[in-house]
Amino acid sequence: QSVLTQPPSVSGAPGQRVTISCTGSSSNIGAGYDVHWYQQLPGTAPKLLIYGNSNRPSGVPDRFSGSKSGTSASLAITGLQAEDEADYYCQSYDSSLSAPWVFGGGTKLTVL
Amino acid sequence: EVQLVESGGGLVQPGGSLRLSCAASGFTFSSYEMNWVRQAPGKGLEWVSYISSSGSTIYYADSVKGRFTISRDNAKNSLYLQMNSLRAEDTAVYYCASSGSYGSGAFDIWGQGTMVTVSS
Repeated sequence: QSVLTQPPSVSGAPGQRVTISCTGSSSNIGAGYDVHWYQQLPGTAPKLLIYGNSNRPSGVPDRFSGSKSGTSASLAITGLQAEDEADYYCQSYDSSLSAPWVFGGGTKLTVL
Repeated sequence: EVQLVESGGGLVQPGGSLRLSCAASGFTFSSYEMNWVRQAPGKGLEWVSYISSSGSTIYYADSVKGRFTISRDNAKNSLYLQMNSLRAEDTAVYYCASSGSYGSGAFDIWGQGTMVTVSS
């Protein structure tokens, strides 16, 4: 059971917009800690996609965007492409745990 | 090229030990906080351990506390994870990841991972 809750799977057709939610609590996202998002393509290492809730590292297309409100955060992908099919993870800091960094359980994005 | 390369994984019996290494290149290793993150087969990411840039601050996940030891050698641009009393549930791909470019714990550079299998 992850501290941060993500839907196990989402899907969308090419060109569509999809969102992935990440729900936390008052000890992590709700306490104001930043949320980061990672993309993991099949058989590869994770890659930082969004940092500090809504910022994109250099090289990440602007089709990817992040937002945060209250105890939740969201990753939105517009203009869905086949190569976006991957696992997506949110990550934040949790003040109630002895282990400060926590990941969501991950969401498998399927491009139909 | 900015790069992290893990090594040291393999097959080990329950109760055994293994030492993972992570070689950094292309950036000022001594300025970056470092982490180990693992992923069991078919499962999600699990943060394992953190070490500050100087090595003075260290954290562990409860699942490995007392069994794993993180360390670094800034002169050798290297990060280590000493794993003792290994259990079947420690079977996973282990990634080293840096954090510090963007602040607030974002893991910006990842290695390719090294597989650790604990089995008799």
